[in-house]
Amino acid sequence: DVKVTQSSRYLVKRTGEKVFLECVQDMDHENMFWYRQDPGLGLRLIYFSYDVKMKEKGDIPEGYSVSREKKERFSLILESASTNQTSMYLCATMEQGGPNYGYTFGSGTRLTVV
Amino acid sequence: AQSVTQLGSHVSVSEGALVLLRCNYSSSVPPYLFWYVQYPNQGLQLLLKYTSAATLVKGINGFEAEFKKSETSFHLTKPSAHMSDAAEYFCAVTSNNDMRFGAGTRLTVKP
Repeated sequence: DVKVTQSSRYLVKRTGEKVFLECVQDMDHENMFWYRQDPGLGLRLIYFSYDVKMKEKGDIPEGYSVSREKKERFSLILESASTNQTSMYLCATMEQGGPNYGYTFGSGTRLTVV
Repeated sequence: AQSVTQLGSHVSVSEGALVLLRCNYSSSVPPYLFWYVQYPNQGLQLLLKYTSAATLVKGINGFEAEFKKSETSFHLTKPSAHMSDAAEYFCAVTSNNDMRFGAGTRLTVKP
């Protein structure tokens, strides 16, 4: 089974801090994604990546950046955290094609910005 | 652009009753459709998916969904609810690898 590991389950940061959320997959999947989840809004796509050093903006990229230096690791960066970035962040990887086509999610990081 | 709409943010059923969670999609190309379940403090787990094969898709835990192109729907059903089905359910659509999710439906099961 594919495993997607997010380094922290809970995180509390101060306004203005630079925050790194890490996601690591143990398969050779090229596609990785970052979503944030908020009540009543479902999951919204922040950034995604189809290959190393490649990134694409999703629907709500403002205030975020990403880094993908190695295939297995996809990092989400909050350059200057703000209280409206308090949310659950979910990383996902995707297997393209075949019977296992679809996403596998990490357990999520609940970030609180105070 | 692709999107999904889940009708009803909260659904409450009695144990043993039919579960029906509604999802309508919008996609300019043939879609792939998914249902995910999320239990408290956990990530999303795949329930089932439609990938242009059979229109009636069976998933885990007794859930199934039917793809109806004419209605642009992919509703999730289970004949008999169990207490352990209480969770949040998300419908999702993709046609080009980046997935879009509905706002979610929280299912409550009453004893």
